[in-house]
Amino acid sequence: SQTIHQWPATLVQPVGSPLSLECTVEGTSNPNLYWYRQAAGRGLQLLFYSVGIGQISSEVPQNLSASRPQDRQFILSSKKLLLSDSGFYLCAGGGRTEAFFGQGTRLTVV
Amino acid sequence: GENVEQHPSTLSVQEGDSAVIKCTYSDSASNYFPWYKQELGKRPQLIIDIRSNVGEKKDQRIAVTLNKTAKHFSLHITETQPEDSAVYFCAEKGGYQKVTFGTGTKLQVIP
Repeated sequence: SQTIHQWPATLVQPVGSPLSLECTVEGTSNPNLYWYRQAAGRGLQLLFYSVGIGQISSEVPQNLSASRPQDRQFILSSKKLLLSDSGFYLCAGGGRTEAFFGQGTRLTVV
Repeated sequence: GENVEQHPSTLSVQEGDSAVIKCTYSDSASNYFPWYKQELGKRPQLIIDIRSNVGEKKDQRIAVTLNKTAKHFSLHITETQPEDSAVYFCAEKGGYQKVTFGTGTKLQVIP
Protein backbone atom coordinates (compact mmCIF):
# COMPACT_ATOMS: atom_id res chain seq x y z
CA SER A 1 0.00 0.00 0.00
CA GLN A 2 0.99 3.59 -0.52
CA THR A 3 2.69 5.41 2.37
CA ILE A 4 3.88 8.99 2.72
CA HIS A 5 6.75 9.62 5.12
CA GLN A 6 7.21 13.18 6.30
CA TRP A 7 9.53 14.58 8.94
CA PRO A 8 10.01 16.15 11.37
CA ALA A 9 6.61 16.18 13.09
CA THR A 10 7.30 19.48 14.86
CA LEU A 11 9.85 22.17 14.26
CA VAL A 12 10.65 25.49 15.90
CA GLN A 13 12.89 27.78 13.89
CA PRO A 14 14.03 31.40 14.35
CA VAL A 15 13.14 34.07 11.85
CA GLY A 16 15.73 34.23 9.09
CA SER A 17 16.87 30.64 9.44
CA PRO A 18 16.69 28.15 6.55
CA LEU A 19 14.14 25.36 6.25
CA SER A 20 14.18 21.93 4.71
CA LEU A 21 11.25 19.52 5.03
CA GLU A 22 11.51 16.16 3.36
CA CYS A 23 8.83 13.84 2.14
CA THR A 24 9.25 10.36 0.66
CA VAL A 25 6.77 7.97 -0.87
CA GLU A 26 6.57 4.20 -0.70
CA GLY A 27 4.37 1.77 -2.53
CA THR A 28 3.96 3.55 -5.83
CA SER A 29 6.10 4.82 -8.66
CA ASN A 30 5.92 8.12 -10.52
CA PRO A 31 3.47 9.63 -8.03
CA ASN A 32 2.09 13.13 -8.13
CA LEU A 33 3.44 14.91 -5.07
CA TYR A 34 2.05 17.93 -3.24
CA TRP A 35 2.97 20.35 -0.49
CA TYR A 36 0.09 21.99 1.38
CA ARG A 37 0.06 24.51 4.20
CA GLN A 38 -2.74 24.72 6.70
CA ALA A 39 -3.12 27.65 9.07
CA ALA A 40 -4.85 26.95 12.39
CA GLY A 41 -8.53 26.24 11.83
CA ARG A 42 -8.24 26.92 8.13
CA GLY A 43 -8.29 24.99 4.88
CA LEU A 44 -5.56 23.39 2.79
CA GLN A 45 -3.53 25.79 0.70
CA LEU A 46 -1.71 24.12 -2.18
CA LEU A 47 1.87 25.41 -2.31
CA PHE A 48 3.55 23.17 -4.88
CA TYR A 49 2.80 20.10 -6.87
CA SER A 50 4.95 17.88 -9.02
CA VAL A 51 4.09 15.33 -11.68
CA GLY A 52 7.66 14.08 -12.11
CA ILE A 53 11.36 14.51 -11.32
CA GLY A 54 12.39 18.13 -11.66
CA GLN A 55 8.84 19.23 -12.53
CA ILE A 56 7.53 21.70 -9.99
CA SER A 57 4.48 23.91 -10.25
CA SER A 58 4.08 26.76 -7.82
CA GLU A 59 0.58 27.77 -6.86
CA VAL A 60 1.19 30.94 -4.89
CA PRO A 61 4.05 33.42 -4.71
CA GLN A 62 5.83 32.95 -1.44
CA ASN A 63 9.01 32.62 0.52
CA LEU A 64 9.27 28.90 -0.15
CA SER A 65 10.58 26.63 -2.89
CA ALA A 66 10.27 22.96 -3.69
CA SER A 67 12.44 20.40 -5.39
CA ARG A 68 12.01 16.82 -6.55
CA PRO A 69 15.47 15.28 -6.91
CA GLN A 70 14.14 11.71 -7.07
CA ASP A 71 10.90 10.12 -8.17
CA ARG A 72 9.73 9.48 -4.61
CA GLN A 73 11.28 12.45 -2.84
CA PHE A 74 9.82 15.92 -2.48
CA ILE A 75 11.54 18.69 -0.53
CA LEU A 76 10.16 21.99 0.73
CA SER A 77 12.75 24.68 1.42
CA SER A 78 13.26 28.25 2.43
CA LYS A 79 16.45 30.30 2.60
CA LYS A 80 15.11 32.69 5.24
CA LEU A 81 11.98 31.94 7.23
CA LEU A 82 9.41 34.59 8.03
CA LEU A 83 7.00 34.66 10.95
CA SER A 84 4.18 34.21 8.46
CA ASP A 85 5.64 30.86 7.40
CA SER A 86 4.36 29.28 10.60
CA GLY A 87 1.75 26.61 10.01
CA PHE A 88 0.99 22.95 9.53
CA TYR A 89 2.72 21.63 6.41
CA LEU A 90 1.40 18.52 4.76
CA CYS A 91 3.02 16.47 2.06
CA ALA A 92 0.72 14.37 -0.06
CA GLY A 93 1.25 11.91 -2.85
CA GLY A 94 -0.91 10.02 -5.21
CA GLY A 95 -1.22 8.12 -8.40
CA ARG A 96 -3.85 8.97 -10.93
CA THR A 97 -6.51 9.48 -8.33
CA GLU A 98 -6.55 10.15 -4.63
CA ALA A 99 -3.88 11.89 -2.57
CA PHE A 100 -2.54 10.32 0.62
CA PHE A 101 -1.08 12.55 3.29
CA GLY A 102 2.01 12.39 5.44
CA GLN A 103 1.72 13.00 9.17
CA GLY A 104 2.39 16.71 8.75
CA THR A 105 5.01 19.08 10.18
CA ARG A 106 3.95 21.76 12.60
CA LEU A 107 6.34 24.63 11.99
CA THR A 108 6.61 27.52 14.42
CA VAL A 109 8.77 30.44 13.41
CA VAL A 110 9.84 32.51 16.41
CA GLY B 1 -8.21 27.77 -13.05
CA GLU B 2 -9.65 25.06 -10.89
CA ASN B 3 -11.91 26.14 -8.06
CA VAL B 4 -13.85 24.15 -5.49
CA GLU B 5 -16.43 25.79 -3.27
CA GLN B 6 -17.59 24.00 -0.16
CA HIS B 7 -20.59 24.72 2.07
CA PRO B 8 -21.30 25.10 4.88
CA SER B 9 -18.09 26.12 6.64
CA THR B 10 -19.48 24.91 9.97
CA LEU B 11 -22.26 22.45 10.72
CA SER B 12 -23.74 21.35 14.03
CA VAL B 13 -26.12 18.41 14.23
CA GLN B 14 -27.65 16.37 16.99
CA GLU B 15 -26.35 12.85 17.40
CA GLY B 16 -28.39 10.52 15.22
CA ASP B 17 -29.32 13.20 12.69
CA SER B 18 -27.94 13.41 9.17
CA ALA B 19 -25.29 15.82 7.91
CA VAL B 20 -24.87 17.01 4.34
CA ILE B 21 -21.90 18.89 2.93
CA LYS B 22 -21.96 20.26 -0.61
CA CYS B 23 -19.24 21.20 -3.06
CA THR B 24 -19.21 22.74 -6.49
CA TYR B 25 -16.38 22.76 -8.98
CA SER B 26 -15.51 24.60 -12.14
CA ASP B 27 -13.20 22.34 -14.13
CA SER B 28 -15.27 20.40 -16.65
CA ALA B 29 -12.38 17.92 -17.00
CA SER B 30 -12.64 16.89 -13.34
CA ASN B 31 -13.17 13.16 -13.14
CA TYR B 32 -12.40 12.14 -9.59
CA PHE B 33 -13.90 13.45 -6.35
CA PRO B 34 -12.52 12.29 -2.99
CA TRP B 35 -13.64 13.30 0.48
CA TYR B 36 -11.27 13.61 3.42
CA LYS B 37 -11.82 13.71 7.17
CA GLN B 38 -9.33 15.58 9.34
CA GLU B 39 -9.39 15.19 13.08
CA LEU B 40 -7.79 17.86 15.24
CA GLY B 41 -4.02 17.95 14.83
CA LYS B 42 -3.95 15.01 12.43
CA ARG B 43 -3.56 14.50 8.72
CA PRO B 44 -6.57 14.37 6.39
CA GLN B 45 -7.71 10.81 5.74
CA LEU B 46 -9.56 9.65 2.66
CA ILE B 47 -13.02 8.38 3.66
CA ILE B 48 -14.86 7.95 0.38
CA ASP B 49 -14.49 8.86 -3.27
CA ILE B 50 -16.47 8.85 -6.47
CA ARG B 51 -15.53 8.85 -10.12
CA SER B 52 -17.20 10.77 -12.89
CA ASN B 53 -18.89 7.73 -14.40
CA VAL B 54 -20.85 7.06 -11.21
CA GLY B 55 -23.71 9.09 -9.75
CA GLU B 56 -23.74 7.77 -6.21
CA LYS B 57 -21.61 5.66 -3.91
CA LYS B 58 -22.32 4.44 -0.41
CA ASP B 59 -20.19 2.99 2.34
CA GLN B 60 -22.10 2.17 5.52
CA ARG B 61 -23.21 5.51 7.03
CA ILE B 62 -21.55 7.73 4.45
CA ALA B 63 -22.53 8.33 0.86
CA VAL B 64 -21.46 10.67 -1.90
CA THR B 65 -23.51 11.88 -4.85
CA LEU B 66 -22.26 13.52 -8.02
CA ASN B 67 -24.10 15.67 -10.53
CA LYS B 68 -21.70 16.27 -13.41
CA THR B 69 -24.13 18.42 -15.34
CA ALA B 70 -24.49 20.86 -12.48
CA LYS B 71 -20.86 20.34 -11.37
CA HIS B 72 -21.63 19.62 -7.77
CA PHE B 73 -21.14 16.72 -5.40
CA SER B 74 -22.21 16.09 -1.84
CA LEU B 75 -21.26 14.06 1.21
CA HIS B 76 -24.07 12.56 3.28
CA ILE B 77 -23.50 11.16 6.76
CA THR B 78 -26.46 9.39 8.35
CA GLU B 79 -26.99 8.46 12.00
CA THR B 80 -24.20 10.80 13.04
CA GLN B 81 -22.08 9.92 16.06
CA PRO B 82 -19.79 12.10 18.22
CA GLU B 83 -16.74 10.52 16.59
CA ASP B 84 -17.89 11.94 13.27
CA SER B 85 -16.93 15.38 14.59
CA ALA B 86 -14.04 16.64 12.46
CA VAL B 87 -13.22 18.88 9.53
CA TYR B 88 -14.29 17.45 6.18
CA PHE B 89 -12.72 18.43 2.88
CA CYS B 90 -14.02 17.75 -0.57
CA ALA B 91 -11.58 17.64 -3.46
CA GLU B 92 -11.46 17.18 -7.19
CA LYS B 93 -8.89 15.98 -9.65
CA GLY B 94 -9.05 16.68 -13.31
CA GLY B 95 -7.16 17.55 -16.38
CA TYR B 96 -4.30 19.33 -14.65
CA GLN B 97 -3.40 16.24 -12.59
CA LYS B 98 -3.51 18.04 -9.28
CA VAL B 99 -5.87 17.63 -6.38
CA THR B 100 -7.75 20.80 -5.51
CA PHE B 101 -9.44 20.95 -2.12
CA GLY B 102 -12.50 22.75 -0.88
CA THR B 103 -12.22 25.11 2.06
CA GLY B 104 -13.42 22.58 4.62
CA THR B 105 -16.47 22.04 6.80
CA LYS B 106 -16.18 21.78 10.55
CA LEU B 107 -18.78 19.25 11.65
CA GLN B 108 -19.82 19.09 15.29
CA VAL B 109 -22.05 16.25 16.43
CA ILE B 110 -23.75 17.12 19.68
CA PRO B 111 -24.36 14.16 22.00
